[in-house]
Amino acid sequence: GDSVTQMEGPVTLSEEAFLTINCTYTATGYPSLFWYVQYPGEGLQLLLKATKADDKGSNKGFEATYRKETTSFHLEKGSVQVSDSAVYFCALSDMRAGGFKTIFGAGTRLFVKA
Amino acid sequence: KAGVTQTPRYLIKTRGQQVTLSCSPISGHRSVSWYQQTPGQGLQFLFEYFSETQRNKGNFPGRFSGRQFSNSRSEMNVSTLELGDSALYLCASSLQLAGVSYEQYFGPGTRLTVT
Repeated sequence: GDSVTQMEGPVTLSEEAFLTINCTYTATGYPSLFWYVQYPGEGLQLLLKATKADDKGSNKGFEATYRKETTSFHLEKGSVQVSDSAVYFCALSDMRAGGFKTIFGAGTRLFVKA
Repeated sequence: KAGVTQTPRYLIKTRGQQVTLSCSPISGHRSVSWYQQTPGQGLQFLFEYFSETQRNKGNFPGRFSGRQFSNSRSEMNVSTLELGDSALYLCASSLQLAGVSYEQYFGPGTRLTVT
């Protein structure tokens, strides 16, 4: 079945450091890929998305490119801020015969120190 | 546009009781999905409804059920609560027009504690 694997956390960085959170997936179809972020005490928020191979999603300085050849969708940011501290989830969504389904990775907790 | 709302935000129940959680999607969104989030299991898919029909279901026992109304509002019910049902229950709505990607918009969740 489909699955999403993302790097384990927590990841601890100093402010202005470069961030990479790795995400790889397995899928039988052509899913859309997403990064969601969850701040403490809140639900998930969509951070960025990509719907087909070679698409680059970007938002708030974060970027991720849909790489079909390596089945990856790594999240990057050039300079993190304390306010980026949160849990980040990689996910794939697809429509199947059984209906719409989203599979999430386990989440990666990011701590950014001032 | 108002976001996804979930009620109640917090709930404490006793083992063996039943509970009903409510979710109001973003206006115009016809798909509603439910997830259970726990520290040990992460985010697990419960079920998805579209136009009052359950289209997809995760691997949860029959004690977990849901429904969707004609205005797209959705409820989920858990009967005979167990301690392991303590979790954050998240609802997400999605537009899902043909050709539109399937991003979801999440509510703040209902924190259920079973004692």
